[in-house]
Amino acid sequence: NAGVTQTPKFRVLKTGQSMTLLCAQDMNHEYMYWYRQDPGMGLRLIHYSVGEGTTAKGEVPDGYNVSRLKKQNFLLGLESAAPSQTSVYFCASSYGLAGGLYEQYFGPGTRLTVT
Amino acid sequence: TQLLEQSPQFLSIQEGENLTVYCNSSSVFSSLQWYRQEPGEGPVLLVTVVTGGEVKKLKRLTFQFGDARKDSSLHITAAQPGDTGLYLCAGARAGKSTFGDGTTLTVKP
Repeated sequence: NAGVTQTPKFRVLKTGQSMTLLCAQDMNHEYMYWYRQDPGMGLRLIHYSVGEGTTAKGEVPDGYNVSRLKKQNFLLGLESAAPSQTSVYFCASSYGLAGGLYEQYFGPGTRLTVT
Repeated sequence: TQLLEQSPQFLSIQEGENLTVYCNSSSVFSSLQWYRQEPGEGPVLLVTVVTGGEVKKLKRLTFQFGDARKDSSLHITAAQPGDTGLYLCAGARAGKSTFGDGTTLTVKP
């Protein structure tokens, strides 16, 4: 049982390049989330999904897109990276409404630097 | 917009001391979680509180949910260097969680 895994762990992009971050969970969770964490600013929700094939915007969605084609996977895309997107990105999953508690299980993070 | 304020932002204490971290909001939450995060890793769930006035204990850690389910506190008794880390509270409602900015705790031996 690997829990929540994220790939890659580190990435350096040049301004304007694109990339996709992959999140996978093996806990059969309904809900999945993408956050970014910047120094002194806590975790901010980018996008989330309440089930396969559904996505919704979070607090800071601009510049990002997501897809949830399979229940276990949640992809985060950056179409044209900007230096302001330099951050640590965390994926999380939870049972959601079925569990009622929204306890989230986090991946190890992806450190992204945009130059 | 839901907002969770944590205080203090930074806390540095000696081993053996007690401490309390606060998490306050003007919003009501269906549940509230506390997480601990170590450098280079993702947050790890410590506890969930659901009922107003609820108190939960996890070894030397005591968590309390306010009567109105808007605020919470984390009390650590006899802190140890292994307690060092970033403590985050998160209020859950309607399928989403709002995180506080965290309290960075350093426990010196």
